[in-house]
Amino acid sequence: GAVVSQHPSRVICKSGTSVKIECRSLDFQATTMFWYRQFPKQSLMLMATSNEGSKATYEQGVEKDKFLINHASLTLSTLTVTSAHPEDSSFYICSALHSTGGHQPQHFGDGTRLSIL
Amino acid sequence: QKEVEQDPGPLSVPEGAIVSLNCTYSNSAFQYFMWYRQYSRKGPELLMYTYSSGNKEDGRFTAQVDKSSKYISLFIRDSQPSDSATYLCATKMEYGNKLVFGAGTILRVKS
Repeated sequence: GAVVSQHPSRVICKSGTSVKIECRSLDFQATTMFWYRQFPKQSLMLMATSNEGSKATYEQGVEKDKFLINHASLTLSTLTVTSAHPEDSSFYICSALHSTGGHQPQHFGDGTRLSIL
Repeated sequence: QKEVEQDPGPLSVPEGAIVSLNCTYSNSAFQYFMWYRQYSRKGPELLMYTYSSGNKEDGRFTAQVDKSSKYISLFIRDSQPSDSATYLCATKMEYGNKLVFGAGTILRVKS
């Protein structure tokens, strides 16, 4: 149980392209999803918290207009990197929380490796 | 000072060894403690999830939390080459969902 699917797993594109990454909870409903960024040999850095039906909450230093988040359903959140540049190249990982309430752990997707040329 | 400190390693052990992975944290408000395993180019996989102080065992894995010393540990018995991965500790407060991660420890189990 608690499977989170992330798609695509790998993206290579030219500078200036916008890239959309999908995060789906496959076997549970997730009111809250999270988007992280991970640099090589470093830990996960929280970018934003995505709540179904409302605006995402961004961490300090994360550009809202650069990283657009949409959480339109209880099983899907998307992250769009707009006008991507080489410095946006990174490993992006999403996680999801059960909507059942109480204290639940976050379950992570397998990440998306984004390379901007 | 980071909120969660974790030695990045790498830690190399022979197959069958008992592995001890550790983290320290600074904020006494942290109440939930997690260990995640991350293979290269994959997302973190939840191994252990504990609340407050105490021990929790699951198969070859044992998690320990000592809130008095702000110290959390993960023990792996009979380590296998397939256990080679990065192990991330994480904590969160009683209320709220934001996780604070350690840097991750790279573990290599040699056959």
